[in-house]
Amino acid sequence: GAVVSQHPSRVICKSGTSVKIECRSLDFQATTMFWYRQFPKQSLMLMATSNEGSKATYEQGVEKDKFLINHASLTLSTLTVTSAHPEDSSFYICSVQEGAGGNTGELFFGEGSRLTVL
Amino acid sequence: RKEVEQDPGPFNVPEGATVAFNCTYSNSASQSFFWYRQDCRKEPKLLMSVYSSGNEDGRFTAQLNRASQYISLLIRDSKLSDSATYLCVVQAPNFNKFYFGSGTKLNVKP
Repeated sequence: GAVVSQHPSRVICKSGTSVKIECRSLDFQATTMFWYRQFPKQSLMLMATSNEGSKATYEQGVEKDKFLINHASLTLSTLTVTSAHPEDSSFYICSVQEGAGGNTGELFFGEGSRLTVL
Repeated sequence: RKEVEQDPGPFNVPEGATVAFNCTYSNSASQSFFWYRQDCRKEPKLLMSVYSSGNEDGRFTAQLNRASQYISLLIRDSKLSDSATYLCVVQAPNFNKFYFGSGTKLNVKP
């Protein structure tokens, strides 16, 4: 399956600062990437769909000005958590979908980024 | 109503046991179905896709019942290494979203 790399794997930051998380598709040109968030003992919740060369599509309840997504190339999408607060502490995971036409096939995930906001 | 529902467990079973999980989905037009495995504090990893005809991969068997809108995962001869959370994933009819169940936790004990 597709190989997805995410960086950093763990980050601790102070409240009010911004944090950037990178997601790279290493062997697959991804026009679309998905960003998920997972709180402890809960399932993955889709935050937004990142589209190469255009604006991301955000899920209801996700603030686009707080979670900035940039998908500048077919292999890189970034998520920036702006003005982070302790309640933003979570496990953020990106994924790509492999398959013909980009809309069928399984999801493959990056290793995830664990954010702790102090 | 949630798109995908799973029993959170935990299922505590001895090594060698057979264990089965079910997952129900709400949208009858859903197209694709998957089981993922997630270890603690790690990303989900694809365990197997679920086909209409059912599929088997070693000790793992997945079944789809469209009439009742559920999928199942059967694990035979459980190993300690099978301990994990198993996520049921359903792809929306228009292909652009995946819905995750909350996961079923399995603990295989010696």
